[in-house]
Amino acid sequence: AQSVTQPDIHITVSEGASLELRCNYSYGATPYLFWYVQSPGQGLQLLLKYFSGDTLVQGIKGFEAEFKRSQSSFNLRKPSVHWSDAAEYFCAVGPNQAGTALIFGKGTTLSVSS
Amino acid sequence: NAGVTQTPKFQVLKTGQSMTLQCAQDMNHEYMSWYRQDPGMGLRLIHYSVGAGITDQGEVPNGYNVSRSTTEDFPLRLLSAAPSQTSVYFCASKGSNYGYTFGSGTRLTVV
Repeated sequence: AQSVTQPDIHITVSEGASLELRCNYSYGATPYLFWYVQSPGQGLQLLLKYFSGDTLVQGIKGFEAEFKRSQSSFNLRKPSVHWSDAAEYFCAVGPNQAGTALIFGKGTTLSVSS
Repeated sequence: NAGVTQTPKFQVLKTGQSMTLQCAQDMNHEYMSWYRQDPGMGLRLIHYSVGAGITDQGEVPNGYNVSRSTTEDFPLRLLSAAPSQTSVYFCASKGSNYGYTFGSGTRLTVV
């Protein structure tokens, strides 16, 4: 079955510290992988996506993610977190079996302490 | 501006009332979908469409109907609202190269 697991429900990081958000997926073929961020009361903003090629993907706002096929993982990283990065982060894989939509993880809430 | 437009942004319903959440896109995308977002559950697929006249159920379709009479519009109908349908609803379309575009969401409260 196709699924996405984000093992960490809530993470707190000090401002300026590094960040890694974990994402594991189950998918029968080569996956298309995405990370989205959602600030409170807002919509979804695409941070980055992976389709093929270089397994290290650069995104917006200084984020990057690495695709590791052997571990079925697509972890999101940022070297130095800013207070404005506090939000909820969603990992997604697609497409679904119908080829139309994404399958989302349950999300990780990031808090940033000063 | 090109994109996915959802209306209304906020809605309060009484139990048993019906309503339609509107979704329109101007990118000529064939694939469209509806999700609901609940705390701790991520986004779950309600219904999707692969083109005008073709729809199918997603993960959580109960209590919702959809239709797709045009490429542009994909409305989501609640026939008899229940408190369990209190959620944030997102519409999305899929373009070429797996470019997914999401609407800004509709926050629905059923009392």
